[in-house]
Amino acid sequence: NAGVMQNPRHLVRRRGQEARLRCSPMKGHSHVYWYRQLPEEGLKFMVYLQKENIIDESGMPKERFSAEFPKEGPSILRIQQVVRGDSAAYFCASSPGSRETQYFGPGTRLLVL
Amino acid sequence: RKEVEQDPGPFNVPEGATVAFNCTYSNSASQSFFWYRQDCRKEPKLLMSVYSSGNEDGRFTAQLNRASQYISLLIRDSKLSDSATYLCVVNFGNYGGSQGNLIFGKGTKLSVKP
Repeated sequence: NAGVMQNPRHLVRRRGQEARLRCSPMKGHSHVYWYRQLPEEGLKFMVYLQKENIIDESGMPKERFSAEFPKEGPSILRIQQVVRGDSAAYFCASSPGSRETQYFGPGTRLLVL
Repeated sequence: RKEVEQDPGPFNVPEGATVAFNCTYSNSASQSFFWYRQDCRKEPKLLMSVYSSGNEDGRFTAQLNRASQYISLLIRDSKLSDSATYLCVVNFGNYGGSQGNLIFGKGTKLSVKP
């Protein structure tokens, strides 16, 4: 049973470009969480999604960030007009239900030049 | 006050040593508790859940004190492979509209030396 998959593993963007991060949950998991880890910091919750629904986006910056989890395909975290401060590791986690154990993907490391 | 607070370390210990990590959390309504392990530039991996009665998994023992809002992790007979950052993680449950997202401490770094 494949674990949580994320791609790309590394992403380099110039300021002002868009970044798209993808997450495929574990088989049988319909709950997806996105977390961000800034250098030398702990992981911070961003958004929680179920298929076609955003359940909790209280951790998402108000501008430039959006997330979706369509009926078919992976969850997408989209960052528009990236800035240097967006450079971080973005981890996706999935679980079979809310408040159940979350399993993390390998992360996408975003570097904004 | 930070939501989940840990001593950042580093803890430098010799192989075979016993080492203990502590963690405090701010929300008394927190519902579930975990220790995750994170290796350098890798994803967090669940080490163990923490239950009120305390629980043990091999060389690892976790304790929870709800009254003091305090969680601990004890590692006995440390191995070189235990070198990592240990993350204290709390789930606030329904508090404040949370739907079960995890609140992470910054982690405690452990380095086990030969």
